[in-house]
Amino acid sequence: EVQLVETGGGLIQPGGSLRLSCAASGLSVSSNYMGWVRQAPGKGLEWISVLYSGGPTHYADSVKGRFTISRDNSKNTLYLQMNSLRAEDTAMYFCARVVVGAATGVDYFDYWGQGTLVTVSS
Amino acid sequence: DIQMTQSPSSLSASVGDRVTITCRASQSISSHLNWYQQKPGKAPKVLIYEASSLESGVPSRFSGSASGTDFTLTISSLQPEDFAMYYCQQSHLGRTFGQGTRLEIK
Repeated sequence: EVQLVETGGGLIQPGGSLRLSCAASGLSVSSNYMGWVRQAPGKGLEWISVLYSGGPTHYADSVKGRFTISRDNSKNTLYLQMNSLRAEDTAMYFCARVVVGAATGVDYFDYWGQGTLVTVSS
Repeated sequence: DIQMTQSPSSLSASVGDRVTITCRASQSISSHLNWYQQKPGKAPKVLIYEASSLESGVPSRFSGSASGTDFTLTISSLQPEDFAMYYCQQSHLGRTFGQGTRLEIK
C-alpha cells in the first residue's frame, strides 16, 4: 500500500523559511516523478513543483526562486524548502506522485498525502 | 500560461441525476486533461486521466470526453457519495488546475 505522509508545516512569520517533508512508503521517490500541490484555505488547487526521477525540477512562477524541491533517496523522502515566505503562501501543502500514462505521455497525480498546513502570518 | 476555466462554479443536483461539468483550456492541450474529486478535509482523488481514461477503481458512472479545447466530466447517475468539489487539470504545458466546481445536493 502506498502512503505519503507530509510533515513540517506550522506558523511562520513573513520572510521566514520552512522545510516540508513527505515520507513515502510503498513507492520509491527516486524512481518516480514526485510533486507538490497546495490549497489556500477555502480556495482551489495550485500545482507548485515537480521533481523528475532523473533529477530535473520544474516550478510554478509563483514560487520560482523561493522554493526548492529535493529528495533523500536513503530516507525515501521528498522535501520542499520554502524561503522568503509570504502571506499568500498560506495553504495546505500536499505531496503527490506524478504518474505518466503510457499511451500519450499525459501525466497526472495519482497518490496523495493528507497534507500539512503552512500559515504565514506575523 | 495555460488557463483552465471550469463551469459551472457550483451545481445543485439530486441523487440519480445526470450531471456535466465543463472545462475549457485557453489553448490547445491535446488530451492532456485530468479530473479530480475532492471531499472536505481530504486530498484530491483522480477520476479521469488523458481526458477520457477511467482511473482504476473509479465507478463507471464517471466518464470524460473532449472536443477541441473543451473537456467534459459526466456523472451518469449521481450517488450520495458524489457530492464534492471537482477540478480539472492540464498537464500539457506546466500543470494548471481549474477553479473547481462544487456539486451540492438539491
